[in-house]
Amino acid sequence: SQTIHQWPATLVQPVGSPLSLECTVEGTSNPNLYWYRQAAGRGLQLLFYSVGIGQISSEVPQNLSASRPQDRQFILSSKKLLLSDSGFYLCAWTQMSGPQETQYFGPGTRLLVL
Amino acid sequence: SQQGEEDPQALSIQEGENATMNCSYKTSINNLQWYRQNSGRGLVHLILIRSNEREKHSGRLRVTLDTSKKSSSLLITASRAADTASYFCATDSNDYKLSFGAGTTVTVRA
Repeated sequence: SQTIHQWPATLVQPVGSPLSLECTVEGTSNPNLYWYRQAAGRGLQLLFYSVGIGQISSEVPQNLSASRPQDRQFILSSKKLLLSDSGFYLCAWTQMSGPQETQYFGPGTRLLVL
Repeated sequence: SQQGEEDPQALSIQEGENATMNCSYKTSINNLQWYRQNSGRGLVHLILIRSNEREKHSGRLRVTLDTSKKSSSLLITASRAADTASYFCATDSNDYKLSFGAGTTVTVRA
C-alpha cells in the first residue's frame, strides 16, 4: 500500500533562517506531488506542484521554493524565513492521470517562525 | 485561487443528530470531493462525486451534487463525537490541481 511521510512534524525557526521540509511517498511511482500551506483555521493554499522529476510549478510568488530530486521525493525550501511563513505545511500525492482524482495527504509539518 | 466555498463556517450539534454542510463553486467541474481534517492532522479523503452523478452514499455520509446550481452538500447522519473535525470540499479544474474551500468546522457534543 502507499504511504506518505513528512518531516519534521514540528519546527520552530528564527526569522531569516533557512528551511527544508521533506516529503516522501512509498508504494507508487510517477505520482503528482503537491505542497500546501494552511493558516490557522483556514483552507489550503496550493504552493507548488510537480508532475515529474525536476518539474515544478509555482502557484504563489513568495520566498519559498520546491524541488523534486527523485520521483517520490518533494522538498520545500527557503533561504530566509519570514514571520508570515508560519503555518501548517501539507504534502500530498495523486496518481498522474487526467481530471483530478483523490489526493492523499501527509501528516503535515507545523512551522513557527519567531 | 479558492473555488469551493463551504457554508456554514462552523456547526455545533448534539451526538446522534444529523450535520449538513454545503459547498458552492464557480466554474464547471469534472468531479467534486469532500475531505475531513482532524485538528492538527492531514486531510483524509471521504468521497468523490462526478459531474454526471447527483447523489452518492458512503456509510453515514451522503453527498449531493447540483451542477445547475454549482453546489454540493455533505450530510453526516447519526453524528458521533469522532465526527468532530473540519470538512472541506475540493473541485478540480481540468489540470493537475484541486481547489479547496475554507472548510466547515463541525463540533459534535456528547
